[in-house]
Amino acid sequence: QVQLVESGGGVVQPGTSLRLSCAASGFTFSTYAMHWVRQVPGKGLEWVAIISYDGNHIYSADSVQGRFTISRDNSKNTLYLQLNSLRVEDTALYYCAKARANYGGGNDCWGQGTLVTVSS
Amino acid sequence: QSALNQPASVSGSPGQSITISCTGTSSDIGGYNFVSWYQQHPGKAPKLMIYDVSNRPSGISNRFSGSKSGNTASLTVSGLQAEDEAVYYCNSYTSSSTWVFGGGTKLTVL
Repeated sequence: QVQLVESGGGVVQPGTSLRLSCAASGFTFSTYAMHWVRQVPGKGLEWVAIISYDGNHIYSADSVQGRFTISRDNSKNTLYLQLNSLRVEDTALYYCAKARANYGGGNDCWGQGTLVTVSS
Repeated sequence: QSALNQPASVSGSPGQSITISCTGTSSDIGGYNFVSWYQQHPGKAPKLMIYDVSNRPSGISNRFSGSKSGNTASLTVSGLQAEDEAVYYCNSYTSSSTWVFGGGTKLTVL
């Protein structure tokens, strides 16, 4: 079955870096765009970034632009999010999500999330 | 990009129908038919309920329906059931090639 498993979260200090991974299985990873979405515990969802199926098109939210970088390795069926210059307000549960199709909206599969805590 | 505007909460009794609104601008909801709705139960990942304004993924009950008029999208849940109690989020594509969520609406089944 379609499955996404995030990893790489943890407790880090402000200003440091972290790389999140999302291992995909059960579908042809290389043919779907992928998203990162985050959620502060007890708060709403915030879209973070998207990468096209081939990695050639990348877009991110203003709140993370210049600090976070989305990438993918289709040979490893893995999605990444590089988090640099972390701030306290980046503390959240980070989800990876599969685009339902390469045209149109909807994320039809989500991981369980990996928690990033930024604290001094 | 500002978050889409949703009411903080709605409620209804079992069997009744409720509608959740999601208001954006001509740069997001009004400009594209790429509005999705997600259901999230406590401690769980979001679940796709509606995509591209009014389409249901396989396995989603036809009690859930979506629509759009101008800059406002809506999710209607008919025949309310206890398991529908959750937080619902709308999501739209934007003119900046990014995506934006609404703040979420807590649905309470009385």
